[in-house]
Amino acid sequence: SQQGEEDPQALSIQEGENATMNCSYKTSINNLQWYRQNSGRGLVHLILIRSNEREKHSGRLRVTLDTSKKSSSLLITASRAADTASYFCATDALGSWGKLQFGAGTQVVVTP
Amino acid sequence: DGGITQSPKYLFRKEGQNVTLSCEQNLNHDAMYWYRQDPGQGLRLIYYSQIVNDFQKGDIAEGYSVSREKKESFPLTVTSAQKNPTAFYLCASSISTSPDTQYFGPGTRLTVL
Repeated sequence: SQQGEEDPQALSIQEGENATMNCSYKTSINNLQWYRQNSGRGLVHLILIRSNEREKHSGRLRVTLDTSKKSSSLLITASRAADTASYFCATDALGSWGKLQFGAGTQVVVTP
Repeated sequence: DGGITQSPKYLFRKEGQNVTLSCEQNLNHDAMYWYRQDPGQGLRLIYYSQIVNDFQKGDIAEGYSVSREKKESFPLTVTSAQKNPTAFYLCASSISTSPDTQYFGPGTRLTVL
């Protein structure tokens, strides 16, 4: 079962713009992670936010977590063409021992 | 050069044949995972292993089998019992238990002819 659901399914922006995508989940979590996948490749970990954290930054990435709403957002600032990829949220539910549940992803296209 | 490798990158199989996908890591990670990804979808967990000689079924284990005889290796066999095996298969590893980052291999694309 997919715990995380991303929104929107697809996003098209121009270089320099910000990209925001959201993830909603259903059950209580230990942590939530965001991954990036370039077409036909494996996933690359971007950021992990624990259930007791509300916001984290990593370079041009900003992740927020609202456990009361069971939702998270990923913001990519000043997008570049190299940011073109699919972005997945993955939740580590309480009691699941690190078994991640992935959403279907948001496909982001950044045009020069 | 540390990392996680999968081979082959592309694999073609006839219906009714078993096929084994390789996954090797030199990160000294205890935990390893196999996922399946279908077009436009997220990853679904097939099997995972927390430690050598131990593994558990994930959400879609039917038609698949694994072994974990060595810490570095976690091969996945797609058996003829798997009704719709054409997919992109991803292997991952993590240091240990939750919470933890998973490191992914480049994937194997399996096509059944």
